[in-house]
Amino acid sequence: EAGVTQFPSHSVIEKGQTVTLRCDPISGHDNLYWYRRVMGKEIKFLLHFVKESKQDESGMPNNRFLAERTGGTYSTLKVQPAELEDSGVYFCASSPPSLLTYNEQFFGPGTRLTVL
Amino acid sequence: AQRVTQPEKLLSVFKGAPVELKCNYSYSGSPELFWYVQYSRQRLQLLLRHISRESIKGFTADLNKGETSFHLKKPFAQEEDSAMYYCALGDSNYQLIWGAGTKLIIKP
Repeated sequence: EAGVTQFPSHSVIEKGQTVTLRCDPISGHDNLYWYRRVMGKEIKFLLHFVKESKQDESGMPNNRFLAERTGGTYSTLKVQPAELEDSGVYFCASSPPSLLTYNEQFFGPGTRLTVL
Repeated sequence: AQRVTQPEKLLSVFKGAPVELKCNYSYSGSPELFWYVQYSRQRLQLLLRHISRESIKGFTADLNKGETSFHLKKPFAQEEDSAMYYCALGDSNYQLIWGAGTKLIIKP
């Protein structure tokens, strides 16, 4: 079974440019999460989709970040315009639907974003 | 405030020695606690969750509500245990709140 995939693996852009990150969750996983690790700091939650709906986007840093999950399948995270402090590793994770409080989240390999 | 603290950024022990990676949390509700591990050039993966109360790869972790801790332990470290270890807390909104991580190095 294919795991969570993310594209691209690396992205180097200049300040002010736009970047779109993509995450393909495991098939059948309704829950999709985005996290970010800025260098030297802990991993931070960005947002959580349940199917195509944003369940919680309280971690999105500002309105330069836009996440979508059309059709409840893959998700994109767009940063426009990118700033230097956006550099870091962006992780995507997915988990199946469940009545339990928590299901294991399966992580993608991450996208390393560098803003120059 | 909800917070997870891993006081050690780096922990280095010899093969065969006991390992303890510390994790303390601050959370007003009933916590769900996890240990995730990232081996070199691999993705983050779940190692343990407190509700399962099982041992994975020889590691155990006990939730101590009195001390608000969830330390990860292994009696005899192996070289393949070298990795980044993250303690995480699941809140009521299904977010994971992460510690800063501890890099574990097992020396031969």
